Amino acid sequence: DAGVIQSPRHEVTEMGQEVTLRCKPISGHNSLFWYRQTMMRGLELLIYFNNNVPIDDSGMPEDRFSAKMPNASFSTLKIQPSEPRDSAVYFCASRGDRSSYEQYFGPGTRLTVT
Amino acid sequence: SQQGEEDPQALSIQEGENATMNCSYKTSINNLQWYRQNSGRGLVHLILIRSNEREKHSGRLRVTLDTSKKSSSLLITASRAADTASYFCATDNTGFQKLVFGTGTRLLVSP
Repeated sequence: DAGVIQSPRHEVTEMGQEVTLRCKPISGHNSLFWYRQTMMRGLELLIYFNNNVPIDDSGMPEDRFSAKMPNASFSTLKIQPSEPRDSAVYFCASRGDRSSYEQYFGPGTRLTVT
Repeated sequence: SQQGEEDPQALSIQEGENATMNCSYKTSINNLQWYRQNSGRGLVHLILIRSNEREKHSGRLRVTLDTSKKSSSLLITASRAADTASYFCATDNTGFQKLVFGTGTRLLVSP
């Protein structure tokens, strides 16, 4: 298995631009999580999906952030418009069925907004 | 918001020594997990301990949980240079998958 796949690995954009981060979870996993990691705030859960349905988006910082999961094998996190304070590493993770608690993380997308 | 506070923030030891990291949390939990993060990489799950368990072992890892003190510790025995990484505890308060991560301990193991 290729593991959780994220793209792009690095993104540099200017303030005000739209940014779309992509994630392909491990095949067969039915839960997907988006996290953001910064030095100041550590690792924060932004949103998670179960069977493609958003369950908890209380961690999404602002309306500028949105996430979708149109099918079991693909999810996007969009920031529009982006701001310098959005600079962070964004991780996607997936998890199997309810009997398994372990989350599998992707390699992350390092976002820099100038 | 961060549930767990980890101690120490950084730890530097020699190969062969044991490393102990501590995690304190604030609310009742369903389970507590430990993850490792190598520099520039995603997190990797190490071990899980449920709220009704007090100790668990996996290879060179030993995890303890004291729910009365709301604390956990991770012991890595006979450390290796390859153990150099950041280690995070994560608590699951509800059992419904939502993890809250601690601040992490940066471990450096020198050859």
